[in-house]
Amino acid sequence: KNQVEQSPQSLIILEGKNCTLQCNYTVSPFSNLRWYKQDTGRGPVSLTIMTFSENTKSNGRYTATLDADTKQSSLHITASQLSDSASYICVVRYTGGGNKLTFGTGTQLKVEL
Amino acid sequence: GAVVSQHPSRVICKSGTSVKIECRSLDFQATTMFWYRQFPKQSLMLMATSNEGSKATYEQGVEKDKFLINHASLTLSTLTVTSAHPEDSSFYICSARGYRGHPGELFFGEGSRLTVL
Repeated sequence: KNQVEQSPQSLIILEGKNCTLQCNYTVSPFSNLRWYKQDTGRGPVSLTIMTFSENTKSNGRYTATLDADTKQSSLHITASQLSDSASYICVVRYTGGGNKLTFGTGTQLKVEL
Repeated sequence: GAVVSQHPSRVICKSGTSVKIECRSLDFQATTMFWYRQFPKQSLMLMATSNEGSKATYEQGVEKDKFLINHASLTLSTLTVTSAHPEDSSFYICSARGYRGHPGELFFGEGSRLTVL
């Protein structure tokens, strides 16, 4: 069964600190992996998209890594800001069965002063 | 700016009424649109896939007569929740896949909060 698991479920950090969110998946055959940021009551916004051959991709203070062998991805946030408080969702696309997406349950990040 | 627009962002209705939610792709043509619902503190659950000019494909467990989807043009898809009941209260989100930016990238709307009294 295709699954995407994220950890931790929730996280509280102080402003300015770094943090790393994890995503493990069992989706196969793999097409790509995406990280989205979803503010409360809003739609998800894409942060990164990574294909099989990409190991690292950065978008400002966000850096995503992908290890296709172990089927793990991480999202590292540096110098966190209050506006980073949101849910971060890992989404994996697989090529079987019509190119569907499997959504993780998200990590709820709260950045405090 | 937003590339996928949803309207309305919030709607409150009485039980038994029907509610229509619009999803528009701005400045790109979306051959495929998706509809999701999201309960508090849960991830998005795909309800249906909407292809322009053809019938929507519904996920298992989603009633097609309850959630009517129309994708009449390459920039507009609508979701109608018919005879809404309190258990239909949820956050409904659409996404559109087109050729803007990364090929096949998915752009999400801002979501529509439905509250059925």
